Amino acid sequence: AQSVAQPEDQVNVAEGNPLTVKCTYSVSGNPYLFWYVQYPNRGLQFLLKYITGDNLVKGSYGFEAEFNKSQTSFHLKKPSALVSDSALYFCAVRVGFGAGANNLFFGTGTRLTVIP
Amino acid sequence: DTAVSQTPKYLVTQMGNDKSIKCEQNLGHDTMYWYKQDSKKFLKIMFSYNNKELIINETVPNRFSPKSPDKAHLNLHINSLELGDSAVYFCASSRIAGGGEQYFGPGTRLTVT
Repeated sequence: AQSVAQPEDQVNVAEGNPLTVKCTYSVSGNPYLFWYVQYPNRGLQFLLKYITGDNLVKGSYGFEAEFNKSQTSFHLKKPSALVSDSALYFCAVRVGFGAGANNLFFGTGTRLTVIP
Repeated sequence: DTAVSQTPKYLVTQMGNDKSIKCEQNLGHDTMYWYKQDSKKFLKIMFSYNNKELIINETVPNRFSPKSPDKAHLNLHINSLELGDSAVYFCASSRIAGGGEQYFGPGTRLTVT
């Protein structure tokens, strides 16, 4: 079965420092991987996705993620954290076929806090 | 214009009641979804639907049913509400083509008393 895991419930980083939010995946076949961000009392916003091609994927708000097949990881990164990046981050993997082709299995989320 | 909208934003109701949550998308997408986010922020797919096929997560009770009057709408009906149904429900949409990212609505916070 397709799944993702986010090993850290909470990540704290100082403003201006680089940040990493970790995600590992378990899939059969080629993975379709996604990162979403959820701000308080809001819906999820798409950040970036990996389907094929370059292992380094660039997304919204200066975020990027590196697909690593040998380590089955898809970590989210940003070179310089902003206080406004504080939010809940979800990694997701595509599951299913047909009408369910884009069904997503979400990780448990990582709360990122950027400290001024 | 809001891409994916849901109404109501908040819904407080008593056990045993029947309620509906409406969802509309103006993105021209052909697939829509309902997710449940529990108090621990865990997100689980409930349904995905396009005009041809409904995919139901087998763990969803049959008290929950999606209704789609057209491609732009997917409403969620819940019968005989239970305390455990309290959660935030999110609607989303995407293109059916593989790898299409999903766009989420703002959520409906359902509280069952």
